[in-house]
Amino acid sequence: QQQVKQSPQSLIVQKGGISIINCAYENTAFDYFPWYQQFPGKGPALLIAIRPDVSEKKEGRFTISFNKSAKQFSLHIMDSQPGDSATYFCAASIWTSGSRLTFGEGTQLTVNP
Amino acid sequence: DTGVSQNPRHKITKRGQNVTFRCDPISEHNRLYWYRQTLGQGPEFLTYFQNEAQLEKSRLLSDRFSAERPKGSFSTLEIQRTEQGDSAMYLCASSRGLGGEQYFGPGTRLTVT
Repeated sequence: QQQVKQSPQSLIVQKGGISIINCAYENTAFDYFPWYQQFPGKGPALLIAIRPDVSEKKEGRFTISFNKSAKQFSLHIMDSQPGDSATYFCAASIWTSGSRLTFGEGTQLTVNP
Repeated sequence: DTGVSQNPRHKITKRGQNVTFRCDPISEHNRLYWYRQTLGQGPEFLTYFQNEAQLEKSRLLSDRFSAERPKGSFSTLEIQRTEQGDSAMYLCASSRGLGGEQYFGPGTRLTVT
């Protein structure tokens, strides 16, 4: 059962543009939603995360928006740069149990110069 | 503070052989996770430890797979009688425990010929 669905599968934006990646989850017990960035041949790197007590979290050019009623969350990358070109994964877990992360399928982002 | 390390980084083996991977977590992280990632997909959970206790195993972890964390520090993942379908990136992550963010290592790329 796919518990976290991610879209789009691939995304091409111009330098300076805004990249938006969306995720939807099914399990209402999930209460921790991180985003990971992965470059080819590397492990995923934690980018930013949110818990459902807030609807938005911003760190630098990266913002997570969270809609608990819709069971959706999204990553916005402002002023996208070629160095942001990577695969992005959303994930979800139950924070207090500290157990498994359930990942989305990934979005391959290409930022053209 | 060094990150999560994994060895080897690459492993090529013939079908039917046994392989063992090692993961060294971030020091003082008492939780250690194993995930598997196939090309174009998000990581899938395999198992996790709190200290030396294995707390959860995924259905993906067949009888040919075994994981240990004997002294609550490093962990090993062994695959017996490898099959071509075992070809994947095997990722290790660690966290401080309940409510801890998971940090990933660089992964071990397994190719079964």
